[in-house]
Amino acid sequence: DGGITQSPKYLFRKEGQNVTLSCEQNLNHDAMYWYRQDPGQGLRLIYYSQIVNDFQKGDIAEGYSVSREKKESFPLTVTSAQKNPTAFYLCASSSWRGASDTQYFGPGTRLTVL
Amino acid sequence: AQKVTQAQTEISVVEKEDVTLDCVYETRDTTYYLFWYKQPPSGELVFLIRRNSFDEQNEISGRYSWNFQKSTSSFNFTITASQVVDSAVYFCALSEVSGANSKLTFGKGITLSVRP
Repeated sequence: DGGITQSPKYLFRKEGQNVTLSCEQNLNHDAMYWYRQDPGQGLRLIYYSQIVNDFQKGDIAEGYSVSREKKESFPLTVTSAQKNPTAFYLCASSSWRGASDTQYFGPGTRLTVL
Repeated sequence: AQKVTQAQTEISVVEKEDVTLDCVYETRDTTYYLFWYKQPPSGELVFLIRRNSFDEQNEISGRYSWNFQKSTSSFNFTITASQVVDSAVYFCALSEVSGANSKLTFGKGITLSVRP
C-alpha cells in the first residue's frame, strides 16, 4: 500500500541528546515536510524539501536539522539546541510544488524529553 | 501574512446532532486554497477537502458539507447526523499561491466530541 511511514511512534530522549525521526514515503511525491504540533496548537512548519538534496527552513527551524538524500526519505534530527523538543512531530508529502497541492500526512512521532 | 482562525476550541454534541465547525481566514492573495483535515485520536491527519478561491460552490460528501463564502472569508464545515466516529480534532488550513511552495498555514483546531 502507498503511504507515509514514520518511526518510531514514541520516542524518549534525555536532555542534551540528539535524536533522529524517520519519515519514508512510497507515493513518489517530490515534496516532503516536517511539522511540529503542541497541545492545543495548530501545526507549525519546521523544514520542507521540494527535491532531493535541497531543503528550506520553515517557521521554527531553530534546533532542528534535516537531510534529503533520497526522494523517499526525509529524516528530521532534533538537536540538543532545541529548547523545548517535547511535542508531536508529523511528516507530510505532496506530489507537486504548488499551492494547490494537497499534503498527505504520516502517523506521527511523539517525542518526550525526560 | 496569511492567518487562519478557528474560534471554537471544543464542541460537544450528542450523536445524531448536526454540528458546524467555523473557519475564518485572512490573505492578501486573490488565488489561494483552503483545506480541512481530520485528526482522530490516533494522531494522523486525514485530508478531507480542498477548495480553490475561484470555486464558491458548496460541496457535499455524504454527511459532510462545506460552505465557502469569500465575502466573509469563511470556509465552514458541517457534519450532519454526527456519529461517535466523528470525534476528532479538525483543522482548517490555507495555502497561498505566492512563491513556488505549497506552504500551509493551519488554524489551532477544533476538538469535536460526539457522545452516544
